[in-house]
Amino acid sequence: LAKTTQPISMDSYEGQEVNITCSHNNIATNDYITWYQQFPSQGPRFIIQGYKTKVTNEVASLFIPADRKSSTLSLPRVSLSDTAVYYCLVGNSFSSGSARQLTFGSGTQLTVLP
Amino acid sequence: IAGITQAPTSQILAAGRRMTLRCTQDMRHNAMYWYRQDLGLGLRLIHYSNTAGTTGKGEVPDGYSVSRANTDDFPLTLASAVPSQTSVYFCASSVNRDTEAFFGQGTRLTVV
Repeated sequence: LAKTTQPISMDSYEGQEVNITCSHNNIATNDYITWYQQFPSQGPRFIIQGYKTKVTNEVASLFIPADRKSSTLSLPRVSLSDTAVYYCLVGNSFSSGSARQLTFGSGTQLTVLP
Repeated sequence: IAGITQAPTSQILAAGRRMTLRCTQDMRHNAMYWYRQDLGLGLRLIHYSNTAGTTGKGEVPDGYSVSRANTDDFPLTLASAVPSQTSVYFCASSVNRDTEAFFGQGTRLTVV
């Protein structure tokens, strides 16, 4: 399993850009990096996925340096509704077995303050 | 479009009783998964199914069983519930095991 390390919690204010960094030193060649968001009493929701360099969608950007040993999820201009737990996953399969399983760690609790 | 539906939403269960958590998806996804989430922890994979007719064990399979008789349904059964199985259970599905997973709303189970 690819182990990931991310901050337990972060606070931000509305309108600010938030960057959450995830370390994954043992990432493998076939692994990709995926971020999920989870609101209280809901299941996780896919945010963004990348393999290298930069990926951007309508919700977030994902920055991955050349060595791929870390990644940064960037949320532009957060609002109160972005308060959630953000999970960084590294691997290439949700199933167990010989594939590199995508696992959910403890995540980062982001709290956006008014 | 319903997506993925879990039932019941919550349940209080006496220890030793048998319980089946239901999960249905209408997206024709090949892969389905069951996770449990305990307070302050991330999600842990219990069982998975890469395609109808096949199942596999995840990280924490003991005390649980699953079946995948068709594409849409993936029930999770606790044969004899114990208090340590008190948790929130999430079902998920994806087109294939290496693609984006969609999660249900969860079932909150309390074993007393």
